[in-house]
Amino acid sequence: SYELTQPPSVSVSPGQTASITCSGDKLGNKYACWYQQKPGQSPVLLIYQDNKRPSGIPERFSGSNSGNTATLTISGTQPMDEADYYCQAWDSAGVFGGGTKLAVL
Amino acid sequence: EVELAESGGGLVQPRGSLRLSCVVSGFTFSSYAMTWVRQAPGQGLEWVSTISTSGGSPYYADSVKGRFTISRDNSKNTLYLQMNSLRVDDTAVYYCARDRVAGSARWFDPWGQGTLVTVSS
Repeated sequence: SYELTQPPSVSVSPGQTASITCSGDKLGNKYACWYQQKPGQSPVLLIYQDNKRPSGIPERFSGSNSGNTATLTISGTQPMDEADYYCQAWDSAGVFGGGTKLAVL
Repeated sequence: EVELAESGGGLVQPRGSLRLSCVVSGFTFSSYAMTWVRQAPGQGLEWVSTISTSGGSPYYADSVKGRFTISRDNSKNTLYLQMNSLRVDDTAVYYCARDRVAGSARWFDPWGQGTLVTVSS
């Protein structure tokens, strides 16, 4: 079955750029999306179809996908961005990455 | 406003059964595929099952295949997950989510608030 791999944690200083990666075999040939989940809350869609933002999602969130890696980039990271982030793809079944905890220190 | 509300969770013994429901509002339910995703305590998200608009050709994760059945009642705007032969490792918050599809891309938006299923003796 298809697998997606994310780093367990990423740290960033406020105002800096955070990058969270998601790796999978030929992931660039599929579409990746990203969710944000804060403690005690349901996941929220951040990015779909590699790089599209739903309405209401701040412009500081962006995505890319090429080769074996999809990347979520958060520009000008804010303390409110501290959360768990999950990538997801579809390969005849839903697949999630293991999640990355973003610490804004 | 689009809303999804899960119910039916609770405490069940191993090898028991439970049926989850997800009632939706704010969109034309019959026009969207729907999905269940679960999250074990302190763990990540795990896709469980997806059903098409008509209810045919459901997809299941290997971990639940043969034990769980996804279904829907478009007249009641309700999605279901029948869970049989439950195991301790099925303990999780179960979320329903609306599918969005574009070609080979599929993503889930929005999500319900989740319902907790605890399998324990």
